[in-house]
Amino acid sequence: NAGVTQTPKFRVLKTGQSMTLLCAQDMNHEYMYWYRQDPGMGLRLIHYSVGEGTTAKGEVPDGYNVSRLKKQNFLLGLESAAPSQTSVYFCASSLSNEQFFGPGTRLTVL
Amino acid sequence: QKEVEQDPGPLSVPEGAIVSLNCTYSNSAFQYFMWYRQYSRKGPELLMYTYSSGNKEDGRFTAQVDKSSKYISLFIRDSQPSDSATYLCASPNTGGFKTIFGAGTRLFVKA
Repeated sequence: NAGVTQTPKFRVLKTGQSMTLLCAQDMNHEYMYWYRQDPGMGLRLIHYSVGEGTTAKGEVPDGYNVSRLKKQNFLLGLESAAPSQTSVYFCASSLSNEQFFGPGTRLTVL
Repeated sequence: QKEVEQDPGPLSVPEGAIVSLNCTYSNSAFQYFMWYRQYSRKGPELLMYTYSSGNKEDGRFTAQVDKSSKYISLFIRDSQPSDSATYLCASPNTGGFKTIFGAGTRLFVKA
């Protein structure tokens, strides 16, 4: 099993550009999450999903959109990137309390 | 006030030292507590969990919860350089499918 995978691993964007981060899990988990991690701020929940076709806002959803068209995939979109969105993005999935994290995507917005 | 508070450190100790990592939480409804370990440039991984007050031991690691004071601790005995990582305490919210994370404490164990 690959667990949770994220694509891409690194990306540099210019302000105003758009991009999509892809998360895939092969553990048949119902719940999936997108977090951002910034120094001193810890993990902050952006959006999450409790099942295929469902999404919900987390703690810091502004400027991001998500979709969960297939159970194994959870996409995070940035429509118009801003320097404040420079961060490390982690996807996670879970069946119950334990969350399994991907390796992260390092995004820089210039 | 964040629901889970954690001193970000960094904490630097010599190899072999006993390490104490601590968190406080504010929500009395929290029943289940977890510690995640995150190595540099990696995603967090679950290290230990405990359901209730008291101690839980796993090798060199002991997780302790004091619900009366809303205090969570992780002790590492005979610390090793390979223990150098960021440690995050966490607790699921009352719904169970979202988890509240502390900011993480960076630990350096010097050889």
